[in-house]
Amino acid sequence: DIQMTQSPSSLSASVGDRVTISCRASQSISTYLNWYQQKPGKAPKLLIYGASSLQSGVPSTFSGSGSGTEFTLTISSLQLEDFATYYCQQSYSIPRTFGQGTKVEVK
Amino acid sequence: QVQLVQSGPEVKKPGASVKVSCKTSGYTFSGYYIHWVRQAPGQGLEWMGWINPNSDGTNYAQKFQGRVTMTRDMSLSTAYMELSSLTFDDTAVYYCARAPPRHFDYWGQGTLVTVSS
Repeated sequence: DIQMTQSPSSLSASVGDRVTISCRASQSISTYLNWYQQKPGKAPKLLIYGASSLQSGVPSTFSGSGSGTEFTLTISSLQLEDFATYYCQQSYSIPRTFGQGTKVEVK
Repeated sequence: QVQLVQSGPEVKKPGASVKVSCKTSGYTFSGYYIHWVRQAPGQGLEWMGWINPNSDGTNYAQKFQGRVTMTRDMSLSTAYMELSSLTFDDTAVYYCARAPPRHFDYWGQGTLVTVSS
């Protein structure tokens, strides 16, 4: 199975900050990498697919980059509604595996 | 609009089985795989498997092999996930998600399954 490791596990930030979350795969997954946002009590929401494609309806403050084993989710200017937990997920092979999550909290 | 609506919460005893439904609407059911993902309280996301509604083919995570069965009813545009031999560790929110095909673009609202004696 491909292991996905996110860093950091949590971070504190303020509205307007630029936030970067990293995701590393245990083997190359090309650009088969997706990012989800989850708020408490809610289902995950797709933000980025194929490492860098923005899902329809997602603000352009979100962007993704990377290929191979190293990936990054960037929020260019953190908004109040962006405080949540973020997960990366590989779609290169079965089983689909997720990172452990990164919780973005209010500083 | 695309919707995935799941069945309500369940409470089961250890050793029992649970069957969760995922009723879809707003798109052609046969055109997209349905995946199931679960989340234990306070934990991350765990992929369980998928079903191809068109072919009825399935693929399960090794961890759940022999305990999970994913089915579908084309006439109802509904997918089902049945998990047997429940233990306390199966207490979780179970989600269905549509996959077009290598990401999950629409999710159900989640179904809480509680295993309690």
